[in-house]
Amino acid sequence: EDQVTQSPEALRLQEGESSSLNCSYTVSGLRGLFWYRQDPGKGPEFLFTLYSAGEEKEKERLKATLTKKESFLHITAPKPEDSATYLCAVRVYSGYALNFGKGTSLLVTP
Amino acid sequence: GAVVSQHPSRVICKSGTSVKIECRSLDFQATTMFWYRQFPKQSLMLMATSNEGSKATYEQGVEKDKFLINHASLTLSTLTVTSAHPEDSSFYICSASQGNEGNQPQHFGDGTRLSIL
Repeated sequence: EDQVTQSPEALRLQEGESSSLNCSYTVSGLRGLFWYRQDPGKGPEFLFTLYSAGEEKEKERLKATLTKKESFLHITAPKPEDSATYLCAVRVYSGYALNFGKGTSLLVTP
Repeated sequence: GAVVSQHPSRVICKSGTSVKIECRSLDFQATTMFWYRQFPKQSLMLMATSNEGSKATYEQGVEKDKFLINHASLTLSTLTVTSAHPEDSSFYICSASQGNEGNQPQHFGDGTRLSIL
């Protein structure tokens, strides 16, 4: 069965304190791994798509990386506005739907 | 680009009422749209895949007579929760892709908070 596990469940950082979020996956044929940001009461906002091991994508203070078993979302010098829940999702070759992890709730304090 | 609009954002109604939620792709055509349900502090759970011009595909455990899906055009899908009860209270979110290739991300609406009294 395809599984997506995110850790930690919650993370509290001080402004400027860099860290990484983890997404581990076991799927039969990865077609793509997606990172989303979700603010309270809103739908997920697309951040990155990664397709193959070794691939990296960057956007402002965020960098996503992918290996054959997991993906990391690195946050460099975070700001309070980076506070949100970060969701990881995978798509397999057998379909178009996304299989989501439970997310990491990030709080960045001033 | 790739904006998905969902309406209404919040619904509060009495038990037994049927509620319709609309999902529109504003600046692209979406052959396929998806409906998810999210409980507090839980991840998004796929309910069904909505295909333009054909019947929706429901995930195991989702009652198709309870959650009616219509995808009448390439920019509009609707989810109707029929005879809603308190246990149907949840956050419902739709998404759409610009294409059917696996490398296209899904873009999400802002969700509908459904509260059944």
